[in-house]
Amino acid sequence: AQKVTQAQTEISVVEKEDVTLDCVYETRDTTYYLFWYKQPPSGELVFLIRRNSFDEQNEISGRYSWNFQKSTSSFNFTITASQVVDSAVYFCALSGNTGANSKLTFGKGITLSVRP
Amino acid sequence: DTGVSQDPRHKITKRGQNVTFRCDPISEHNRLYWYRQTLGQGPEFLTYFQNEAQLEKSRLLSDRFSAERPKGSFSTLEIQRTEQGDSAMYLCASSFFLLTRGYPAKNIQYFGAGTRLSVL
Repeated sequence: AQKVTQAQTEISVVEKEDVTLDCVYETRDTTYYLFWYKQPPSGELVFLIRRNSFDEQNEISGRYSWNFQKSTSSFNFTITASQVVDSAVYFCALSGNTGANSKLTFGKGITLSVRP
Repeated sequence: DTGVSQDPRHKITKRGQNVTFRCDPISEHNRLYWYRQTLGQGPEFLTYFQNEAQLEKSRLLSDRFSAERPKGSFSTLEIQRTEQGDSAMYLCASSFFLLTRGYPAKNIQYFGAGTRLSVL
């Protein structure tokens, strides 16, 4: 069975602070995919990133960066110089590597509030 | 390029009534997924289609729930004899699934805005 744990439930920061959102996962698959989605107050889940388990290279996209560590089963997400528009619920998710195991297993989400 | 659209956005119904939701995926996507999200939780998988074939159903999908994707395009999710416990956000996602060298080359799921169901 697959499981995603987001131990942080709510984080509040002041604008321009850096913030890291933690994600720990469990899976028996040797190849799998990890995702981050953002859910703003409007409700629509917005795709941010997909990483393959066989590619541990960290990734940076603008103010966003992701740290994938297979040894600790973690896929953490850092927002640098946070902005008010970053306020949302952030979900980490996991899927398998086969056609039959493509559904997403989500964590419970982390509510990020960025104050001006 | 239009995204995934869901209709209605909100539905209020009385316990025992039947409701139907519609999802229109991104046009070239061959897979369509349904998820349910309750307050303070992450989305939970319900079922998915590849083209018109329903390939998997979760244990969450009781006999009162039925989903169809008759022509491999839009999908409907029907809940019969609604119960208060059915109150949730119902999310639809679509993806283009393609195996390349045995691995899903893409299969990024893009979500609609959801249908919020309230059962009174």
